[in-house]
Amino acid sequence: DTGVSQDPRHKITKRGQNVTFRCDPISEHNRLYWYRQTLGQGPEFLTYFQNEAQLEKSRLLSDRFSAERPKGSFSTLEIQRTEQGDSAMYLCASSFFGQTNTEAFFGQGTRLTVV
Amino acid sequence: GENVEQHPSTLSVQEGDSAVIKCTYSDSASNYFPWYKQELGKRPQLIIDIRSNVGEKKDQRIAVTLNKTAKHFSLHITETQPEDSAVYFCAASRRAAGNKLTFGGGTRVLVKP
Repeated sequence: DTGVSQDPRHKITKRGQNVTFRCDPISEHNRLYWYRQTLGQGPEFLTYFQNEAQLEKSRLLSDRFSAERPKGSFSTLEIQRTEQGDSAMYLCASSFFGQTNTEAFFGQGTRLTVV
Repeated sequence: GENVEQHPSTLSVQEGDSAVIKCTYSDSASNYFPWYKQELGKRPQLIIDIRSNVGEKKDQRIAVTLNKTAKHFSLHITETQPEDSAVYFCAASRRAAGNKLTFGGGTRVLVKP
């Protein structure tokens, strides 16, 4: 599968622990997005990168959340001091944005459960 | 910021009937409207999209219509089949495909054989 891949697929953590998720986008895509999806809701935008630059962060993203895309390829999303309210599916998507634009392709997500 | 509302939240149809899902958006600068299908435990996948310079687009059994003046767009699925059962999300973005998306809350469609 040469699409967007995310790791891990599932993560169970105790409240207060830190977690880190990884996203590998489609290789030729310059944009990478993180979304959060809770049960029965649509994905909510968290942040996005164009190449290695983080261009926008949602107000939903508290200071416990940090994302990086150090070489403009894969990205990591870290949540510090996890809370039960952080339990959700974290989706990554990638696209090419420029003179020719592609749709956003999604990964299968990382399901986080905070106990 | 953009706000996208989607109705209904659940839709049950008999196989062979049509299904219609409606979305409204708030940002008049939005000009790209994709629809994603998400099956249980799987990733959202684009099924059709429409740009604001077009009023309707069809792809086999699915069609999308856009009314820019009223700021609403709809997904139509004809001759529904059991494999159409899934959650469908509408979304809106500015400028073009590939930009950040604001999603509706989703519609769970159940096609009864």
